[in-house]
Parts: sequence; C-alpha cells; structure tokens
Amino acid sequence: AQSVAQPEDQVNVAEGNPLTVKCTYSVSGNPYLFWYVQYPNRGLQFLLKYITGDNLVKGSYGFEAEFNKSQTSFHLKKPSALVSDSALYFCAVSRDKLIFGTGTRLQVFP
Amino acid sequence: EPEVTQTPSHQVTQMGQEVILRCVPISNHLYFYWYRQILGQKVEFLVSFYNNEISEKSEIFDDQFSVERPDGSNFTLKIRSTKLEDSAMYFCASSFQGDGANVLTFGAGSRLTVL
Repeated sequence: AQSVAQPEDQVNVAEGNPLTVKCTYSVSGNPYLFWYVQYPNRGLQFLLKYITGDNLVKGSYGFEAEFNKSQTSFHLKKPSALVSDSALYFCAVSRDKLIFGTGTRLQVFP
Repeated sequence: EPEVTQTPSHQVTQMGQEVILRCVPISNHLYFYWYRQILGQKVEFLVSFYNNEISEKSEIFDDQFSVERPDGSNFTLKIRSTKLEDSAMYFCASSFQGDGANVLTFGAGSRLTVL
C-alpha cells in the first residue's frame, strides 16, 4: 500500500523568510512523488514532481522539493516566501493511482 | 492553457436524491479520475476510468456511485441515492497517460451539499 504523511496541519512564516512544508511517504518500489497546491475555491494545481534522477526538483512559482530516500521524505521548500504563496499544499505519491496526504495550510504573513 | 471543466460548481440536494456531476476533461487526455474532499479533510481517490471502463476504484466507490463517458467529451459521476456523508467537494481530473508518473490536471471542483 502507498501512503503519504504531512505532519503539520499549518505552517506559518513571515514574508521573505524561507519555508519548508514536510512530507514523508511509504510505498513499495520506487516512488513517484508530487506536490499540488490548492488556492481557495480552486482545484488542485500541479507544482512539481520527482520521478527519478536529481534529488532536488524545481517546480512552479520558485518552489523546489528534495527527495531523500533514506528518510523517505519529499519536503517542499522555497527560499523566500511571498504572501501570495498562502494556500493549502498537498503531497502525493503515485504508483498506480495518486494518493494525497492530508494537506498543510501555509500562511505567509506580511 | 487547457482546463478541466466541472459543472455544477455547487449543488444542494435532499438526502436520497440522485445527483450527476459533470466534467469535461482536456480533449486529448485518455485517463479520467474522480476524487473527493470532505470539508477540512484529505483528498480521496474514488475511481479511475480508461477506454470506457473503470480501471480502479476505492472502497468509497460503492454501488451508489457510477461513472460514464456518455458522448466522448463529458465524464460524469452519478450518485444514485445521496447520503448526508456524501457532502463533499468532488474533483474531476484527467491525464494523457495512465502510468504513475503522469501529472493529473484537476478541475475546480463541484461542491455537493446533501441536506
């Protein structure tokens, strides 16, 4: 079975500071890992994915994520947060179907 | 940029009534999905659909649920007799390929409220 855990319900960060949203996964075999973002009253938007290769993956809006096989983690990061980054972020793992974590609400304060 | 379109955006229904949620996937996509998100909870997989048949379904997708691609463009989710616990946001998604590495494109969702 595949699963994803997002240990933080909410992350608060000041604008301009770096942000990290945590994700750990459990899957047999090599994982396909994704981050999606959900803005209010909108659907899920793809941010980035890890399939294979370089452990550091760059995505949309300046976000990046680091795949760590030994820690089974795929944390989302951004060097300098913007107020407009405030949204709900979902980590997901896929083998045959996309399975989402519980989501982490990111709040960036001016 | 191509979009997945869902209608209605919000539907209110009485318990026991039938509901049909509609989706227009991206035109060259071949794989279609329904997910749901109960308020404040995780996004849950319901069903995947390819080549006019269900590829996989979750334990949530019981006999009250059905999916159909009636005319080659629409992809519908029908709930035959709604329950209070069916109240949720339902997301349709599509992808060009069906392997796990593919990115799913999601619609904006249909909010279902069962009274």
